[in-house]
Amino acid sequence: RKEVEQDPGPFNVPEGATVAFNCTYSNSASQSFFWYRQDCRKEPKLLMSVYSSGNEDGRFTAQLNRASQYISLLIRDSKLSDSATYLCVVNMRGGSYIPTFGRGTSLIVHP
Amino acid sequence: EADIYQTPRYLVIGTGKKITLECSQTMGHDKMYWYQQDPGMELHLIHYSYGVNSTEKGDLSSESTVSRIRTEHFPLTLESARPSHTSQYLCASSGGTLNTEAFFGQGTRLTVV
Repeated sequence: RKEVEQDPGPFNVPEGATVAFNCTYSNSASQSFFWYRQDCRKEPKLLMSVYSSGNEDGRFTAQLNRASQYISLLIRDSKLSDSATYLCVVNMRGGSYIPTFGRGTSLIVHP
Repeated sequence: EADIYQTPRYLVIGTGKKITLECSQTMGHDKMYWYQQDPGMELHLIHYSYGVNSTEKGDLSSESTVSRIRTEHFPLTLESARPSHTSQYLCASSGGTLNTEAFFGQGTRLTVV
């Protein structure tokens, strides 16, 4: 079983739509969680950290459910510029604090 | 903007050549990582380091080696490049506390012909 699992998509949505991505992780000892964004042929960049109480940054909302080992990202009012791959990241691999990436979920926002 | 740099950005090299991919960061981060990523595919951890003189292999079997003689520098070496090594190599670093995110360099796109 992979340490971090994501639905690869693609999610194909119109501008203005709300879209949600999910991610599950296997190691219950994981402490830190992030969402990264990766554009085609570019390096991943931090979108937002994920806090236990949930957190929001503009149109983006991240949630963490420790009991279910589940992380989510909600994007409201999608823009064309949101088209990218969204990577779920957990800072735990075995007993080591190593950024472990899901395979990413592809989002395509169309006019 | 992250202060982590990779050189070269692009490299086309012949089979059997020895190559070193450079990665440097000026953030004083103890932890550094190398990931390999094929187009449209996930990142695979190939090496990591917790600090000077500390290196470990990651999940993906790799014929590359790394060294960490200085905190800021984490080069990756392929002794004999093969076409199967064609990929993008991404270097990253993170600070000492658990909750800090990883910062990535722009990557080296390697093609072995």
